[in-house]
Amino acid sequence: DAGITQSPRHKVTETGTPVTLRCHQTENHRYMYWYRQDPGHGLRLIHYSYGVKDTDKGEVSDGYSVSRSKTEDFLLTLESATSSQTSVYFCAISELGQKNTEAFFGQGTRLTVV
Amino acid sequence: TQLLEQSPQFLSIQEGENLTVYCNSSSVFSSLQWYRQEPGEGPVLLVTVVTGGEVKKLKRLTFQFGDARKDSSLHITAAQPGDTGLYLCAGAAGANNLFFGTGTRLTVIP
Repeated sequence: DAGITQSPRHKVTETGTPVTLRCHQTENHRYMYWYRQDPGHGLRLIHYSYGVKDTDKGEVSDGYSVSRSKTEDFLLTLESATSSQTSVYFCAISELGQKNTEAFFGQGTRLTVV
Repeated sequence: TQLLEQSPQFLSIQEGENLTVYCNSSSVFSSLQWYRQEPGEGPVLLVTVVTGGEVKKLKRLTFQFGDARKDSSLHITAAQPGDTGLYLCAGAAGANNLFFGTGTRLTVIP
């Protein structure tokens, strides 16, 4: 298995509170991604990073921010969680970009906002 | 948003039967990937197809990319219980973005 660890695996939080999800990789891959998976929507890209301190928005970036201060860590922050952000969040990594090469996914974080 | 529609959404078949899953879009993709996802896990890549009309085989799985690079199909021959899972197609567009389909949940009954 590719060395990707997501933490926490499960979290319940209250509306309006900040939440940070962490993705840690041991593969030294350049690209890292955050997706959310919801019934009827499949996987949707939130943000991605193509290097340390280099990030860009994905399809559903509103309400989320990211940071990548080290190659191995990619953090996803919900500044003020809302119920619509209840979802399963997946981190993924790839060496050359998902267009041309395999993306390896973490096991996911199930976030519930009450 | 480049919509990828998969059909059927749910499929339940007996062991040994054949099946086909479809992935359709009005958009053109530079490549298309198929993933399988099991409960509690992230998706795992099965195959990438790049050329219009391309056919790839992976044991009992056959993947085809449409000539116009807008659609794809996954055919499984003699399905086994181990094939059970969520099958996702994903189209690559732009420099670095994958658009995922909504998925087909397959159950193979022993």
